[in-house]
Amino acid sequence: DVKVTQSSRYLVKRTGEKVFLECVQDMDHENMFWYRQDPGLGLRLIYFSYDVKMKEKGDIPEGYSVSREKKERFSLILESASTNQTSMYLCASTEGNSYEQYFGPGTRLTVT
Amino acid sequence: AQKITQTQPGMFVQEKEAVTLDCTYDTSDPSYGLFWYKQPSSGEMIFLIYQGSYDQQNATEGRYSLNFQKARKSANLVISASQLGDSAMYFCAMREGRGSGGYQKVTFGTGTKLQVIP
Repeated sequence: DVKVTQSSRYLVKRTGEKVFLECVQDMDHENMFWYRQDPGLGLRLIYFSYDVKMKEKGDIPEGYSVSREKKERFSLILESASTNQTSMYLCASTEGNSYEQYFGPGTRLTVT
Repeated sequence: AQKITQTQPGMFVQEKEAVTLDCTYDTSDPSYGLFWYKQPSSGEMIFLIYQGSYDQQNATEGRYSLNFQKARKSANLVISASQLGDSAMYFCAMREGRGSGGYQKVTFGTGTKLQVIP
């Protein structure tokens, strides 16, 4: 079974802090994604990566950056957390151009 | 314009009955795909079913079927014989276009919360 893990289920940070959300997948997938999920807005793509060190902006990249130094790991970075970044963050991965995305359990981030 | 529209924020269905969750989409790309995910209260996203734009037959997976009407740009999910465990959020999604690396971007709808009543 494909496994996508995220470093924390719940995280509380203060405004202005630098925040790292980590995602690891164990199936050698080329593509990895970061989404945020907000009530009434569904899932919105922040960034994705189709190869090591490659990244592409999604629909809402502002305030976020990403890092993919190894194929299995994709990190989402909030350089200076703000209260409007309080949300559920979901990581996903997929192989090649396969349509099925495998999701991690999510990280619920609260910025106070 | 919204790429994926789910007009039903919430739905109720009696156990053992069938239910249809609506999804309409908007794309000018001739090659696209539509899917449905289920998200129970525990939070994990579970892939249910996929339909490619060139597929002639409607996709089916067990109790799930996708009612694909290309001309109307709709991709409704039909769940037959509802069970209590079907209570969850359901998201419709579409992949289209070709970004860097050849990967097609996926856009999700806002979701429909389904509650199955005993």
